Amino acid sequence: EAQVTQNPRYLITVTGKKLTVTCSQNMNHEYMSWYRQDPGLGLRQIYYSMNVEVTDKGDVPEGYKVSRKEKRNFPLILESPSPNQTSLYFCASSTYSGGADTQYFGPGTRLTVL
Amino acid sequence: AQSVTQPDIHITVSEGASLELRCNYSYGATPYLFWYVQSPGQGLQLLLKYFSGDTLVQGIKGFEAEFKRSQSSFNLRKPSVHWSDAAEYFCAVGVRGNQFYFGTGTSLTVIP
Repeated sequence: EAQVTQNPRYLITVTGKKLTVTCSQNMNHEYMSWYRQDPGLGLRQIYYSMNVEVTDKGDVPEGYKVSRKEKRNFPLILESPSPNQTSLYFCASSTYSGGADTQYFGPGTRLTVL
Repeated sequence: AQSVTQPDIHITVSEGASLELRCNYSYGATPYLFWYVQSPGQGLQLLLKYFSGDTLVQGIKGFEAEFKRSQSSFNLRKPSVHWSDAAEYFCAVGVRGNQFYFGTGTSLTVIP
């Protein structure tokens, strides 16, 4: 089954404790992206990647890191989480053709930073 | 700067009634436009998209949307709403380089 998976689905952590949220897709998509969803703000793009070793900042990259060493994986790293990073995070993937593609979304990761 | 506006935060309709969700965008060129639906506790699923050509596009679950360049709008419609349509709906713009901008969403409640 074609899908985007994220782990963990739920995470409660404390300020400053490094964490990684994994994202994996099995559709051989070139493009992958991370979003955060907050009430009243919709989805905002954090980082995106157009292929292996190619990443770029979205609208709200501060406090986040990503890497794309393999085509199927695109982990999101919070090196020193803060409470304002409490949010619902979505990973998405698609083929790449300059903004015209359908994105397939993972189920989401709900992160709470105390 | 690119932006997407969904002016209605919450809409309530009766089952069987028609529905229109509004979306306005700000972008210098012709954008790629999308409507996604998010059911409670789920990820987002594409309803439909517009790239070029016919300005009225059909999507899944009986939804359609019309691109109006003069109004910078891409409103979503459905002639008869079902209870299962209750969800949150997001309009999005895709721009060159695969950056995406989403609206703040419209929450739909369907009354039996």
